[in-house]
Amino acid sequence: NAGVTQTPKFQVLKTGQSMTLQCAQDMNHNSMYWYRQDPGMGLRLIYYSASEGTTDKGEVPNGYNVSRLNKREFSLRLESAAPSQTSVYFCASSEHRPGQGLDTQYFGPGTRLTVL
Amino acid sequence: GQSLEQPSEVTAVEGAIVQINCTYQTSGFYGLSWYQQHDGGAPTFLSYNALDGLEETGRFSSFLSRSDSYGYLLLQELQMKDSASYFCAVRGFGQNFVFGPGTRLSVLP
Repeated sequence: NAGVTQTPKFQVLKTGQSMTLQCAQDMNHNSMYWYRQDPGMGLRLIYYSASEGTTDKGEVPNGYNVSRLNKREFSLRLESAAPSQTSVYFCASSEHRPGQGLDTQYFGPGTRLTVL
Repeated sequence: GQSLEQPSEVTAVEGAIVQINCTYQTSGFYGLSWYQQHDGGAPTFLSYNALDGLEETGRFSSFLSRSDSYGYLLLQELQMKDSASYFCAVRGFGQNFVFGPGTRLSVLP
């Protein structure tokens, strides 16, 4: 199992350019998440998808869009990149079984994005 | 909404025990989780408390008290490799996740 994979690992954009960050998981999880992490800070939720076919805004959704393409894949799109979007982006999927006291998120390796 | 607070930094020596606290304000949540993140790496899961009380996983233990809106992560027999950032997190009933700001642990020889 590869777990959670993200592409690309690094990206440099100019202000106004667009790009899509790709994420895939092979653990058959229902829920997937996109976070951003600024230097020395915690993780902030951008968007999440509790199940295939649904997406919801997190804490910092402005400037981003997402697509839950199928159960495996969840992409994040920046339509017009801004320097404030310079950050490390993590995708995660989670296994949640309340009745069994189980709740674990698995993170991808991250994408380091710089917007000039 | 949900918000969590953690100390920004903790320092301890090898072999010691350290406790990292997490206080929260939330309208409701499933449970409290803890994640470890080394510099340049991705967060990895450490522990989860769905119910009040202590959960033990090897050298790591985690505690939750819903009545006190408080939890902690206890690390025993500290090793140099434990130097990392530690985050508490809650899953809301809407399936969203909120992370605390993180505590940077430095383990000294």
